[in-house]
Amino acid sequence: DIQLTQSPSSLSASVGDRVTITCRAGQSISIYLNWYQQKPGKAPKLLISGTSTLQSGVPSRFSGSGSGTEFTLTISSLQPEDFATYYCQQSYTFATFGGGTKVEIK
Amino acid sequence: EVHLVESGGGLVQPGGSLTLSCAASGFTLSWYWMSWVRQAPGKGLEWVADIKQNGSEKYYVDSVKGRFTISGDSAKNSLFLQMNSLRAEDTAVYYCVRRSLGKWAVARFDYWGQGTLVTVSS
Repeated sequence: DIQLTQSPSSLSASVGDRVTITCRAGQSISIYLNWYQQKPGKAPKLLISGTSTLQSGVPSRFSGSGSGTEFTLTISSLQPEDFATYYCQQSYTFATFGGGTKVEIK
Repeated sequence: EVHLVESGGGLVQPGGSLTLSCAASGFTLSWYWMSWVRQAPGKGLEWVADIKQNGSEKYYVDSVKGRFTISGDSAKNSLFLQMNSLRAEDTAVYYCVRRSLGKWAVARFDYWGQGTLVTVSS
């Protein structure tokens, strides 16, 4: 199984802050890395696929980068609606998710 | 518009069985890989099972192999998850998810249902 380790597991930030979340894979997964946003009581929502392709309707303040074993999700200017939990997911072999990063209001 | 609606969750005793259903609309289910993903209360996401278009291939996470069976019904445009020998650790919200290929042919979970809660407890 390919393990994904997200860091940090939680963070506190203010509106307008730049936020970066890291996802590390236990082996190389090329660019087969997706990011999801989940709000309490709701299903996850796909934000970014293939490391850096923004899904339709997702604000441009979200961006993704990386390859191989290290990936990042960046929110350039945090907005009130961005407070949520973020998960990375690899699709190189079957599917596994990272443990999640909860973004809370500071 | 794509919609996925799960049903069939509930309370079941350890060792019991339950079948989850997922009604799809807005697309033809048999044209896509489909998956079940679960989330235990207060925990992260866990992929459970995949089924290829037309059911020719099926894959499962190790912890449910031999106990869970994923299947589809193209006439009903529906996905199912038969769960047997249920354990307390199977307690979770189960999501029906469409898997599609994006840019660079990277598979991603692009549409999710609202989820159905399965509670395994005596």
